Amino acid sequence: ETGVTQTPRHLVMGMTNKKSLKCEQHLGHNAMYWYKQSAKKPLELMFVYNFKEQTENNSVPSRFSPECPNSSHLFLHLHTLQPEDSALYLCASSRQDHEKLFFGSGTQLSVL
Amino acid sequence: AQRVTQPEKLLSVFKGAPVELKCNYSYSGSPELFWYVQYSRQRLQLLLRHISRESIKGFTADLNKGETSFHLKKPFAQEEDSAMYYCALSGSRGVWDQGAQKLVFGQGTRLTINP
Repeated sequence: ETGVTQTPRHLVMGMTNKKSLKCEQHLGHNAMYWYKQSAKKPLELMFVYNFKEQTENNSVPSRFSPECPNSSHLFLHLHTLQPEDSALYLCASSRQDHEKLFFGSGTQLSVL
Repeated sequence: AQRVTQPEKLLSVFKGAPVELKCNYSYSGSPELFWYVQYSRQRLQLLLRHISRESIKGFTADLNKGETSFHLKKPFAQEEDSAMYYCALSGSRGVWDQGAQKLVFGQGTRLTINP
């Protein structure tokens, strides 16, 4: 699949579990993003990575831990989540000096 | 602080009628504004951006700095326009973080075009 790929598409986890979301892009983009989309809120920017370096943490709780080993891959490690963390988590990427964000299909997360 | 407001969660119009999706923003600097669209079972994608002054799929949007608005318009709606539309704001290019940008989204408007 071309573009931005996210796995898994769906995830159900208990509050004591540890899981990871994965995102990859082979578009040659330098920036990658995690967004959270809840049912009753706008898309919320969580983290921004630019050339593998984290440049933005939008006051995200530490139970969410991002990792960006290279410009093509982005992870979101999840640990001791709360039911209110249930949401659609979207990954996006963009190219330097271009405004357009390319989004993945998202991971629908349910925390029980 | 940056903020985007889309006052209508739902908008329903008949095919062939004009469409206007409202977007208002709050930003102290010179903003860059975008409309993103999500069609059923597709991923979120860019529809248009104000800096390009383009018309995409018959849609246009004009930045009105006096009213801090960026409303999306189409003179004649088509059934395939039914989708979720998000207005988004970014700081001006000069404040981009060396090649990464931080988009702030509105809550979205679900547009339904009735036959």
